Amino acid sequence: DAGVIQSPRHEVTEMGQEVTLRCKPISGHNSLFWYRQTMMRGLELLIYFNNNVPIDDSGMPEDRFSAKMPNASFSTLKIQPSEPRDSAVYFCASSLLATDTQYFGPGTRLTVL
Amino acid sequence: QKEVEQNSGPLSVPEGAIASLNCTYSDRVSQSFFWYRQYSGKSPELIMSIYSNGDKEDGRFTAQLNKASQYVSLLIRDSQPSDSATYLCAVNAGAGKSTFGDGTTLTVKP
Repeated sequence: DAGVIQSPRHEVTEMGQEVTLRCKPISGHNSLFWYRQTMMRGLELLIYFNNNVPIDDSGMPEDRFSAKMPNASFSTLKIQPSEPRDSAVYFCASSLLATDTQYFGPGTRLTVL
Repeated sequence: QKEVEQNSGPLSVPEGAIASLNCTYSDRVSQSFFWYRQYSGKSPELIMSIYSNGDKEDGRFTAQLNKASQYVSLLIRDSQPSDSATYLCAVNAGAGKSTFGDGTTLTVKP
């Protein structure tokens, strides 16, 4: 079975540009999570969805960040406008239930110049 | 106080030794506990999950849970250089999301 798929794997952009990260969860999983990982702050949960509905977005740092899950097989995380401090690895993870083991995608390494 | 705290590390052990990784959590109603391994430049992957007090063994790995002390640990027996990675403790209080610790970096020296 295919795991969690993320695209792009690497993104380099300039400050002020819009960035869209994409995630396809494992088929049949009901929960989807977006994380950000940096050396300074570790792994931070940004938002998670249950059955395509956002449940907790308290980790979204600012209004510049938004996430959608239009259907069970696709989610996006958008940053508009991007800033250098947004540079990090962004992981998407999915699980059968929110309390279960999470399966992580390969991550998107974002660099904002 | 952080919700999930781990040994600050880094931890270095010789090949063949036992590596002990520790994690404490603050939410007493926590129900599910996970250990993930993350190699440099890779994504976290599950090693062990544990839900009830006591020990759970899987090969060279043993997870130990003590809910009264709000403590969960991971023991790696016969450590191998391939075990060198960052180990993340995650705790789920049943409200949906898991909270991750900052991780402990383990180096196993040949």
